Amino acid sequence: DTEVTQTPKHLVMGMTNKKSLKCEQHMGHRAMYWYKQKAKKPPELMFVYSYEKLSINESVPSRFSPECPNSSLLNLHLHALQPEDSALYLCASSQPLDNEQFFGPGTRLTVL
Amino acid sequence: AQKVTQAQTEISVVEKEDVTLDCVYETRDTTYYLFWYKQPPSGELVFLIRRNSFDEQNEISGRYSWNFQKSTSSFNFTITASQVVDSAVYFCALSEPGAGGTSYGKLTFGQGTILTVHP
Repeated sequence: DTEVTQTPKHLVMGMTNKKSLKCEQHMGHRAMYWYKQKAKKPPELMFVYSYEKLSINESVPSRFSPECPNSSLLNLHLHALQPEDSALYLCASSQPLDNEQFFGPGTRLTVL
Repeated sequence: AQKVTQAQTEISVVEKEDVTLDCVYETRDTTYYLFWYKQPPSGELVFLIRRNSFDEQNEISGRYSWNFQKSTSSFNFTITASQVVDSAVYFCALSEPGAGGTSYGKLTFGQGTILTVHP
């Protein structure tokens, strides 16, 4: 299995909602990443988990809360988002000591 | 600081034409990796190639080829005999070595080149 899956594919939420994005991989990767991508822009790194521990938080607002419950799963909990948070959220994973990142198909998030 | 420049914002070609996507990078590291990713309209970033800083051999994979020139800090990507299915956004990226005891490298992406191949 050489893919990263993400659910849901599309999500529409209001500014007062609480929702979660999910990412799963079964390649034995121990580094997992969340990226945010606005239209016509490159992906921007948000968080990195290495061996299930948060290694990098790129100054992301606290309304985004990542969680890595085990080595295969990565969640991104969303609360009180703003319309400007609407974007494509990409998950990626890689082997330790290897920077070849495998990306999932993304979740298109719209905040109303 | 690392930087990746893809000077071509958009390229439009007709099917069967050859097209080259340019990528120029800046880094102070002696060890680094360069990548090309394809992003079709569906959104998924598809890995195309990785090249490390010590391997300047050019690579060919089917209709795709890559020209890595360290002397000019360039890593250009050529599609031969383009097809409509090649229409996508193409990102060049640079990875710095893992920092702070981490076991991964942070990717710095270029702004992307939108390639449209017309039938």
